[in-house]
Amino acid sequence: RKEVEQDPGPFNVPEGATVAFNCTYSNSASQSFFWYRQDCRKEPKLLMSVYSSGNEDGRFTAQLNRASQYISLLIRDSKLSDSATYLCVVRPLRGSYIPTFGRGTSLIVHP
Amino acid sequence: GAGVSQSPSNKVTEKGKDVELRCDPISGHTALYWYRQRLGQGLEFLIYFQGNSAPDKSGLPSDRFSAERTGESVSTLTIQRTQQEDSAVYLCASSPRTLTGAGELFFGEGSRLTVL
Repeated sequence: RKEVEQDPGPFNVPEGATVAFNCTYSNSASQSFFWYRQDCRKEPKLLMSVYSSGNEDGRFTAQLNRASQYISLLIRDSKLSDSATYLCVVRPLRGSYIPTFGRGTSLIVHP
Repeated sequence: GAGVSQSPSNKVTEKGKDVELRCDPISGHTALYWYRQRLGQGLEFLIYFQGNSAPDKSGLPSDRFSAERTGESVSTLTIQRTQQEDSAVYLCASSPRTLTGAGELFFGEGSRLTVL
């Protein structure tokens, strides 16, 4: 089983739609969780951290389920500019804190 | 500049040649990471530097790959005797050290390597 797994998609949705992505991780000792966004042929950039209690940033909501070892990202009222690949990132509890990236989920928002 | 700087941005080389990629992290960031991203694939961890500690080289795919970093400054990733499967974007990221070790990673724009 891969350390971090995501459905690669693509998720093809109309503007204004609500879309959700899930990500599962295998290391139960994982401590920190993040969603990064990567535009085509660009570098990844932090979208938001994921906190145990869940957190929201505008149209974006991230949730963590430690018992089932998955995190989710919900995007409401999708915009054309949301089209990108969304990377799930997991960091271990101790040691070298090396982040492991999922392969990413591709989102295409169309008019 | 304020961000992570990588050079060259593009490199085309012939199979068997050596290449050197450079990363200049954000000033004050103690942690530096190299990742590789093949076309249509995810980020593959290569090597991690934290301050003056011994680097974590667990992700290097073969002994043709090596990297150095002097203190908390510039890092170079060297690939010897390049192969076509080395073609990828090599991404460098730096991160500030925090109490939890969970500082955000800031990426450079990457060095796109094509091995003919």
